[in-house]
Amino acid sequence: GENVEQHPSTLSVQEGDSAVIKCTYSDSASNYFPWYKQELGKGPQLIIDIRSNVGEKKDQRIAVTLNKTAKHFSLHITETQPEDSAVYFCAASSHTGFQKLVFGTGTRLLVSP
Amino acid sequence: NAGVTQTPKFQVLKTGQSMTLQCAQDMNHEYMSWYRQDPGMGLRLIHYSVGAGITDQGEVPNGYNVSRSTTEDFPLRLLSAAPSQTSVYFCASSYKDRGYEQYFGPGTRLTVT
Repeated sequence: GENVEQHPSTLSVQEGDSAVIKCTYSDSASNYFPWYKQELGKGPQLIIDIRSNVGEKKDQRIAVTLNKTAKHFSLHITETQPEDSAVYFCAASSHTGFQKLVFGTGTRLLVSP
Repeated sequence: NAGVTQTPKFQVLKTGQSMTLQCAQDMNHEYMSWYRQDPGMGLRLIHYSVGAGITDQGEVPNGYNVSRSTTEDFPLRLLSAAPSQTSVYFCASSYKDRGYEQYFGPGTRLTVT
C-alpha cells in the first residue's frame, strides 16, 4: 500500500522567512496530494492541493510543487507570519471518487516574531 | 451551516466498556469517514461511507463498527474498548462537486484506562 514520509518533523523560522516541508510517496498510482493545517485543539483544514497532471500550484503565500518522477511533493510558505504556526500534514491518494488519504506524520511549524 | 460536528469532545472509558462516537454533517455530503490520530503517526483511516447504507473498511478497522442510516450521521462504535484505542478521533465529510475535499470535525479525545 501507499506510504508517505514527511520531513522535517519540526521547523522553526523567523517571521518573514520562507518555510519548506517535503513529502515522498511510494505508490506511483497516487494522483491527488493535499496539504492540511491543524491548529491546536482543532481538526485538520485543507490549505492547498495538487493533482498529478499539474507540477505547481500557488495560492497567495502558499505553493505546492510535485515531482512525479521522483515521487515527492513540497509545501512552500513565503513571508511566514506567527499565525502560520501549526502542524502541517501532507497526504496522498490514488483513488478516483472518495479519496482514501494516506497521511504523513506531520511537521510542527513555529514562526517566531 | 454548522459543518461537521462531533460529540463528545472528551471521553474516558475503562477497558471492556463500549461507547459510540457521534458525527453529523449538515452539508449534504455523500462521503463520510473516520480517522484516528496518534502521536508521530499522522491520521489513519478507520472506516468510510460513500452513501447512506454503504460502508467500507479503511486502514485500521479492527475494534470499530460503523453504520450509515442517513446522509447526515455516521457514528463510530467501540464494542469493547482497549487501551490501544486511546487516540483522537476525527470525522470528515466530502462530496464530488468540491473535488472530494475532506472537511474535518473538531475531534473527540478518547482515553481508555
